[in-house]
Amino acid sequence: GAVVSQHPSWVICKSGTSVKIECRSLDFQATTMFWYRQFPKQSLMLMATSNEGSKATYEQGVEKDKFLINHASLTLSTLTVTSAHPEDSSFYICSAVSGGAYNEQFFGPGTRLTVL
Amino acid sequence: AQRVTQPEKLLSVFKGAPVELKCNYSYSGSPELFWYVQYSRQRLQLLLRHISRESIKGFTADLNKGETSFHLKKPFAQEEDSAMYYCALSGQEGGSQGNLIFGKGTKLSVKP
Repeated sequence: GAVVSQHPSWVICKSGTSVKIECRSLDFQATTMFWYRQFPKQSLMLMATSNEGSKATYEQGVEKDKFLINHASLTLSTLTVTSAHPEDSSFYICSAVSGGAYNEQFFGPGTRLTVL
Repeated sequence: AQRVTQPEKLLSVFKGAPVELKCNYSYSGSPELFWYVQYSRQRLQLLLRHISRESIKGFTADLNKGETSFHLKKPFAQEEDSAMYYCALSGQEGGSQGNLIFGKGTKLSVKP
């Protein structure tokens, strides 16, 4: 089946630094990838839709200058949390659409970000 | 507004008992509904979608437009069914998974 990887799986950084998270579709090309955020014991909240070769579409309330998304190729999307603060600590999950009959979303394992 | 409601945070049943995880939705158009499952220490994965009317791992879910519900059912729960279950809605047609709106999830615990 289709596999989506994320790197790193966890990261700890100091407040004010920037952190980049990679999302890769390993065995298929994904024209669309999604970035979600999940707080402890809460559901996934869609942050943005990443389309290859174009600007990401952000959900209401998500700061695009804070969460930079780049989808430079059909297998890679990156999320950069700029000037991270403790409130940005969360679990970030990406998914990629396979483009099959149902355009099924395949999810990455997630990245745990802790900002000190 | 689009919304998915899973009223139960935790559902605990004994092995062999029937299980029903509730999901209600709010959507003005014709929605596509999905159930996702997340086993311990594993990634989120699709369990089933309403458009395909399939039974996966003994689970079924019927879309009831009158009650705006998409409850997940299994007649005889197994211990390996213990996981977090998320109901999700997509506003795109044709079963495609565009922007997904997730419910808050229900943790199913199946006791031996």
